[in-house]
Amino acid sequence: SYALTQPPSVSVSPGQTATITCSGDKLENKYTFWYQQRPGQSPVLVIYEDDKRPSGIPERFSGSNSGNTATLTISGTQAMDEADYYCQTWDNYTYVFGPGTKVTVL
Amino acid sequence: EVQLLESGGGLVQPGGSLRLSCAASGFTFSSHDLSWVRQAPGKGLEWVSGFSGSGRSMDYADSVKGRFTIYRDISKNTLSLQMSSLRAEDTAVYYCAKEGNTGLHFDYWGQGTLVTVSS
Repeated sequence: SYALTQPPSVSVSPGQTATITCSGDKLENKYTFWYQQRPGQSPVLVIYEDDKRPSGIPERFSGSNSGNTATLTISGTQAMDEADYYCQTWDNYTYVFGPGTKVTVL
Repeated sequence: EVQLLESGGGLVQPGGSLRLSCAASGFTFSSHDLSWVRQAPGKGLEWVSGFSGSGRSMDYADSVKGRFTIYRDISKNTLSLQMSSLRAEDTAVYYCAKEGNTGLHFDYWGQGTLVTVSS
C-alpha cells in the first residue's frame, strides 16, 4: 500500500518560514492535500491540489509538489499556526494520510 | 453553510457494536461523497469508509472490512456507520467528512464523536 512520510516535528520562530515536507513514491504524479489540526479541533483543509488555497485560508500558506516530495510552506508564521499538519493523497481508490508534523512556534 | 454533526459515540466492550450517525446540511447530500475518518488518541488520521455521492459504491479500509457497514439515508441527509466486533484498536474520534468538489480530498469535517472500546 502507498505510504507518505513526514517529519514528526518542525520548530519555527514567529515571523519566520516553516517548511513541512511530505514524501512518497513518485508523489508528483498525484495531487497532495494539506490539513491543519489545532489541539482539540477538527482538521481544516489549507491546501488542495498541491498548491491551491481554499477561500479563507491566509496567503502565508503555500504548497508545491515535485519529484517524490510535496511541501507546505508557512511564511511569516504566527502563533496561531501552531498545530499538527497532515498531508494526504489518493491512491488505489483510498485516501492516504501522512503521519503528521507538529509545528511549534517558539 | 455546510454542517456535519456526528453522534452515537460512547463506551463499548470489546466484541460489541455501535452505530454512529452524521447529520449533514448546507449542501446537496446526494451529490457528494462522504466518508468516516478516525483518529486514535494521540495518533494520526485514518480513512475508514466512504459512500459515493451517486450511491453506487461503498468502500472500506482493510482494518474494518467485514466488521463495519456504511449507510446513507437521503431522505434524512444522514450518513451512518454500523460498527460490530469492536476491538480496542478501534478506539478513536470518528469524523464525518465531505469530499471536496474537485474530488480526492475533504473540504469539510464534523466535530467528531469519541468511541472507546474497553472492558
